[in-house]
Amino acid sequence: EAGVAQSPRYKIIEKRQSVAFWCNPISGHATLYWYQQILGQGPKLLIQFQNNGVVDDSQLPKDRFSAERLKGVDSTLKIQPAKLEDSAVYLCASTGNRGYEQYFGPGTRLTVT
Amino acid sequence: TQLLEQSPQFLSIQEGENLTVYCNSSSVFSSLQWYRQEPGEGPVLLVTVVTGGEVKKLKRLTFQFGDARKDSSLHITAAQPGDTGLYLCAGVGTSGTYKYIFGTGTRLKVLA
Repeated sequence: EAGVAQSPRYKIIEKRQSVAFWCNPISGHATLYWYQQILGQGPKLLIQFQNNGVVDDSQLPKDRFSAERLKGVDSTLKIQPAKLEDSAVYLCASTGNRGYEQYFGPGTRLTVT
Repeated sequence: TQLLEQSPQFLSIQEGENLTVYCNSSSVFSSLQWYRQEPGEGPVLLVTVVTGGEVKKLKRLTFQFGDARKDSSLHITAAQPGDTGLYLCAGVGTSGTYKYIFGTGTRLKVLA
């Protein structure tokens, strides 16, 4: 089966600009996660969706970050305006009915200059 | 707040040596996963452990889940350069929402 798809793979923007990332989870996976990973650290959960509803967004900086999952499949994560400290890899992951097996996409490396 | 601490943070060893990575928490998890991540890629799932005391083997890798389901270890026998990468543990809480808590990561380098 196809894995989790993400695009773009790389993005370089200037601070105060906006950027959007796209994720397509594994077919049939109801739960979708967005993580932020600073170089060399473990991923930090930004938002978790169950179908098209939000389960947890407690660590999402809502003044600049937003995410949606229309129709319960694809998802987009947006940052507006970007700050230097947003430079990181943004990972999308999904889980199926078993819940405890999470599969990751390749990530989007964002550099804010 | 649930936290997972991994140790050591960094490990550089010679090919053929054995090593153990630890993942510890004061919280109980319903399951725990181990991932390996290579530069420029997303984490790849290695194993899931669910039952307290469970031991799983994957070739030269042995994973153990603590009896109380609060800690886990990853043991690699006869490490090879291909084992180089960032090893992450992740616990799933007991709330039923499948929220994952990731460890701080262990960066392993195996020298030929």
